[in-house]
Amino acid sequence: ETGVTQTPRHLVMGMTNKKSLKCEQHLGHNAMYWYKQSAKKPLELMFVYNFKEQTENNSVPSRFSPECPNSSHLFLHLHTLQPEDSALYLCASSQEGSGGARDTQYFGPGTRLTVL
Amino acid sequence: GIQVEQSPPDLILQEGANSTLRCNFSDSVNNLQWFHQNPWGQLINLFYIPSGTKQNGRLSATTVATERYSLLYISSSQTTDSGVYFCAVGYGGATNKLIFGTGTLLAVQP
Repeated sequence: ETGVTQTPRHLVMGMTNKKSLKCEQHLGHNAMYWYKQSAKKPLELMFVYNFKEQTENNSVPSRFSPECPNSSHLFLHLHTLQPEDSALYLCASSQEGSGGARDTQYFGPGTRLTVL
Repeated sequence: GIQVEQSPPDLILQEGANSTLRCNFSDSVNNLQWFHQNPWGQLINLFYIPSGTKQNGRLSATTVATERYSLLYISSSQTTDSGVYFCAVGYGGATNKLIFGTGTLLAVQP
């Protein structure tokens, strides 16, 4: 148990569906992240939120739409996905300091997404 | 961008054996972390180690930032150590962004 939860754990959707992934952190952190892990590939950073503000969009297609309503919750809204978007989607959180302090990132268990 | 390479890509051990995993990175970074991903996909933090040496039970890690590499040592391996080991380097300003290596798939056989 890392203090980061994700729902659902598994999701199967068609290319015309709209679904959302949810992440919640119980660690009091101020930064949250979405990563994508495709088969046979390293984890890829998708989005970064710091104090609810998006600070990084790593050239992610617009069919992935993140939302961060507060520092504890992060969503990834999905629409019109392609089969190649099938992957494990991981959420993480960390405590970042304005003075350049760094801390480790804690990961949720992931949502395994299959797009048919 | 920063390149992170891990070796070996695959490793099979007998229970009780020791091993060393290596992570090379191509540029200066803010920090380095080691993770273990279990067969169910959960990433577990092992070490946050921008430099120096740390130990936690049967695991230890050393990062030599000036030479851009880090080593993860596993001693007296157990079947529960099986999974994928990732190193990830942190870069960026106020928010720590991680670039992950390609991973080492470890299988420990009884």
